[in-house]
Amino acid sequence: SQTIHQWPATLVQPVGSPLSLECTVEGTSNPNLYWYRQAAGRGLQLLFYSVGIGQISSEVPQNLSASRPQDRQFILSSKKLLLSDSGFYLCAWSWGQGYEQYFGPGTRLTVT
Amino acid sequence: KNEVEQSPQNLTAQEGEFITINCSYSVGISALHWLQQHPGGGIVSLFMLSSGKKKHGRLIATINIQEKHSSLHITASHPRDSAVYICAVRSGDMRFGAGTRLTVKP
Repeated sequence: SQTIHQWPATLVQPVGSPLSLECTVEGTSNPNLYWYRQAAGRGLQLLFYSVGIGQISSEVPQNLSASRPQDRQFILSSKKLLLSDSGFYLCAWSWGQGYEQYFGPGTRLTVT
Repeated sequence: KNEVEQSPQNLTAQEGEFITINCSYSVGISALHWLQQHPGGGIVSLFMLSSGKKKHGRLIATINIQEKHSSLHITASHPRDSAVYICAVRSGDMRFGAGTRLTVKP
């Protein structure tokens, strides 16, 4: 069976500090991978998606970047966090475009 | 105006009540998803549908493609159903509603 992991579960970081959130998927190969953010009181927003190693598509301009160094690893990064980067970050995977997405447990980021 | 609108935003019910959450969308879609977000934040996919109706236990999801509308029904609601229910549509990428916060009181 497939499982998706995210870490850390919670993170408190000062403004201006770097960020690295990791997502890994087990039990499947060449999945589509997604990063979402859910700001407080708001809906989910797609940040990045990837259809393969090194292939990243960005949905919105922002202070964040994503990388996919391995088939089942997806990393969300920032060089300098902003207060507005606070939120709940969710990673998801799917078999491909048009397939159901499966979500990870999420990382709650607070930028202070 | 958001492409995916949910109503109501908040819903409080007594245990045992029949619950309906509505979702309307304004774009052409290939599928619609209903997601459940637990208080801790984790998200579970409940249904993916492109036509008709699906049932899983006490949950029923319907979609009317012509009217661009979907409903999620919960029969015999229980406090453990308390969560945020999110409607999402696939139109190229996924577009999400803002969610409906359901609280079921014992």
